[in-house]
Amino acid sequence: QKEVEQNSGPLSVPEGAIASLNCTYSDRGSQSFFWYRQYSGKSPELIMSIYSNGDKEDGRFTAQLNKASQYVSLLIRDSQPSDSATYLCAVNMGNTGGFKTIFGAGTRLFVKA
Amino acid sequence: DAGVIQSPRHEVTEMGQEVTLRCKPISGHDYLFWYRQTMMRGLELLIYFNNNVPIDDSGMPEDRFSAKMPNASFSTLKIQPSEPRDSAVYFCASSLMGGNNEQFFGPGTRLTVL
Repeated sequence: QKEVEQNSGPLSVPEGAIASLNCTYSDRGSQSFFWYRQYSGKSPELIMSIYSNGDKEDGRFTAQLNKASQYVSLLIRDSQPSDSATYLCAVNMGNTGGFKTIFGAGTRLFVKA
Repeated sequence: DAGVIQSPRHEVTEMGQEVTLRCKPISGHDYLFWYRQTMMRGLELLIYFNNNVPIDDSGMPEDRFSAKMPNASFSTLKIQPSEPRDSAVYFCASSLMGGNNEQFFGPGTRLTVL
């Protein structure tokens, strides 16, 4: 089993819709969770971080964490063509894992104008 | 403040040659990470440093790869000898512990080994 799993996509949504990206992780000791956006040919860019169960909102982005289910998600409201990118879920295992961050393979999102 | 700086941005070399990639982390950050990204394997952690000390190099694929961090503002990743399967984009990232370990990535070095 991979440590961090994401659906590779592509996920295609119309402009203005909500895009929902999901991620599961295997290590119950994981403490920090991140979403990175990566445009083609560019480096990953941090867009959201979440550390406790529940929702965290930042503009059009909402991260959701459920540690019991070992599940993280990212919702993008009012999706724009400029949101088209690969979204990487990353999980940091904290003290017990030597602060190692494991990245998922990414979900490609395509927002149709 | 400048972000993470990497050089060169592109490197084309022939099999068997030595390759050295360079990274300058964000000033004040005490963690530095080297990653490799390919279509097949995604983003893989190769090695990371804390306060210039290598902490975990279990991701280094083989002895041909080595990394150093002689001071807080400079790190190198060396491949000797290089092989075509080393072709990838290599990213350096840094973070500030005591914060929440959010990592900031450099622009990457695209390495092509012919």
